[in-house]
Amino acid sequence: GENVEQHPSTLSVQEGDSAVIKCTYSDSASNYFPWYKQELGKRPQLIIDIRSNVGEKKDQRIAVTLNKTAKHFSLHITETQPEDSAVYFCAASIPSGGYQKVTFGTGTKLQVIP
Amino acid sequence: KAGVTQTPRYLIKTRGQQVTLSCSPISGHRSVSWYQQTPGQGLQFLFEYFSETQRNKGNFPGRFSGRQFSNSRSEMNVSTLELGDSALYLCASSLGPDNEKLFFGSGTQLSVL
Repeated sequence: GENVEQHPSTLSVQEGDSAVIKCTYSDSASNYFPWYKQELGKRPQLIIDIRSNVGEKKDQRIAVTLNKTAKHFSLHITETQPEDSAVYFCAASIPSGGYQKVTFGTGTKLQVIP
Repeated sequence: KAGVTQTPRYLIKTRGQQVTLSCSPISGHRSVSWYQQTPGQGLQFLFEYFSETQRNKGNFPGRFSGRQFSNSRSEMNVSTLELGDSALYLCASSLGPDNEKLFFGSGTQLSVL
């Protein structure tokens, strides 16, 4: 089955700096890659996603890049703010029997230091 | 639209007991999936239902089971509870079978003593 690895497990950055979280996946058939943000004590929420036919997607201060050849994708947060502090989960979705099967990474705890 | 609703919010049980957790998806969503979340372990997939059918199951023992009703509401059951079952159990719903754009509930925090 699909395996998603996520690095780093923890990340501390100064406010205003950039943060990058990387994920790799094992199955080249994966075609959809969402990112979820979970603030402390709250539910995970989708923040950005990308499909396999797109190399990069941007939404204000966050962007996701996908390298299908290397089977890795990354989340980039620029001009980090304290409210960006949270756990971020990447995921890979693969077609399976007429539906999509989602596999999550183990999460990255991002701390933005004011 | 109301979000995904999970009940109860907190549960305290003792070893050997059984527990049932409930999840009401967003109105119109037909897919419900369940995850176990423990510190450092991320989101461990339990199972997923679509139109009352279990489509996929994670690597959990048979003590973990679930079902989905005709109104898309879902329940998961854990029998013979063990200390290691203490975790936050999250359910997520999505509109169709593609599981894109999952909407999570707030979870049920289960403590096994």
